[in-house]
Amino acid sequence: GAVVSQHPSRVICKSGTSVKIECRSLDFQATTMFWYRQFPKKSLMLMATSNEGSKATYEQGVEKDKFLINHASLTLSTLTVTSAHPEDSSFYICSARSHLVTRGAEAFFGQGTRLTVV
Amino acid sequence: GDSVTQMEGPVTLSEEAFLTINCTYTATGYPSLFWYVQYPGEGLQLLLKATKADDKGSNKGFEATYRKETTSFHLEKGSVQVSDSAVYFCALGLSGGYNKLIFGAGTRLAVHP
Repeated sequence: GAVVSQHPSRVICKSGTSVKIECRSLDFQATTMFWYRQFPKKSLMLMATSNEGSKATYEQGVEKDKFLINHASLTLSTLTVTSAHPEDSSFYICSARSHLVTRGAEAFFGQGTRLTVV
Repeated sequence: GDSVTQMEGPVTLSEEAFLTINCTYTATGYPSLFWYVQYPGEGLQLLLKATKADDKGSNKGFEATYRKETTSFHLEKGSVQVSDSAVYFCALGLSGGYNKLIFGAGTRLAVHP
C-alpha cells in the first residue's frame, strides 16, 4: 500500500509554545488529508479536512486558531498546535487519500504523533 | 447523522479461539465499510473493506460481510493468534464530499497463549 509519513513520532513541549506536525504522502499525490485526534482508549476524532491550496475545513468544536492546518503541496500537510496547553496532550494521526479518489478507496495513515505538553 | 457503533471491549481470548467483533452503522446513501487495525504506538492499517451490500472483505484470516438489511459489518476470525492483539476500528466511508471516514470507538483485543 501507499506510504504516509508523519513526523515527529513523539514530541514534548512546554506549555505556551507551538508545535508543528508534518504529514507527507511519499509515493502518491494527496489532494485531501485528514487530521485526527485520539484520546486514550477512545476512537479517532476527526479534527479537520485539509485541502491542497485552500483553507482547511474544521469539524464542529475544533478551534481553527488553535490548530493551524496548512496543505502547501500535494504531498505535505502540517498541523501546528499553537500556544499548547496540557489538555492538548494527545495522539494526533493524519491520513491521506489519493487524488484519484474512487468509491471504496482506502485512506492511508501516518504512524501518529504523541504530543505531551508539560 | 452518520455513525458507527462497535461492541465495547476489551475482548480477551485464548489463542485459537473464535473472534467476533460487532459493528453496526447508520448512514445515508451507500457508504463503503472498513475495518482498520491499530497496533500499540502505531497508526492505523487497513485490514479489509467492502464497498457494496453483500460484499465480503477478507484478509489475514479475518472476514466481514456488508449486510445492508441489518446495517452491520461484523468482524470474524476463526482462530486468533497472540499477534492479533490490537485495537480494531470499524469505519464507514461516506460517498460524497471529501470521502471522509467515520470511526467507531474501537475494540481492544487481547489474545493470550
